[in-house]
Amino acid sequence: QSVLTQPPSASGAPGQRVTISCSGNTSNIENNYVYWYRQLPGTAPKLLIYTNDQRPSGVPDRFSGSRSGTSASLAISGLRSEDEADYYCASWDDSLSGRGVFGGGTKLTVL
Amino acid sequence: QLQLQESGPGLVKPSETLSLTCTVSGGSINSRNFFWAWIRQPPGKGLEWIGSIFYTGNTYYTPSLKSRLTISVDTSKTQFYLELKSVSAADTAVYYCARHPRRSGWFDWGQGTLVTVSS
Repeated sequence: QSVLTQPPSASGAPGQRVTISCSGNTSNIENNYVYWYRQLPGTAPKLLIYTNDQRPSGVPDRFSGSRSGTSASLAISGLRSEDEADYYCASWDDSLSGRGVFGGGTKLTVL
Repeated sequence: QLQLQESGPGLVKPSETLSLTCTVSGGSINSRNFFWAWIRQPPGKGLEWIGSIFYTGNTYYTPSLKSRLTISVDTSKTQFYLELKSVSAADTAVYYCARHPRRSGWFDWGQGTLVTVSS
């Protein structure tokens, strides 16, 4: 059972906009930054969003992140077939002397 | 450019100790700005943070593994290590090493190494 809660799946047609939610609590998302990762099969996760809403260089502006209270979301606009992947949210949790925490992951299917 | 490379046995017997090394190149392991982490992913499942270490040796461990876990660092070799004792099939996973600022997400990752626990 993951500390952060994500929907197991999401889908959209090419060109559409999809959002993936990530739910936590005061110990993690509300008081710590949120990060988003994309993982293709057989590869290491790649950072998409850091500190809630910032994109590393090279990440297209089709990807955007936001946080409100104890929840966060990742939005992908102009969906492309290559966006089909697993997406994970992550944060730090202040409980138990501090620990890194992840969501369970969302499998995005491009229809 | 920073590179992280995991290495170690791909097969470990139940009840034995899993030992992995992460070699850091292209960046300083002595940096005051970063921690060094281990993260794992069981086959077909999600990511789990295992623990992190600072170059001084200060560590943070996930509570569920703390009793079996040791993370250490050797700055002269630019390496840090994972030891997980008394492993079982539940410890079968791809193990990643990563770098991150304090209390932050993980910005740089190794490619990962699969460790299977089986007799």
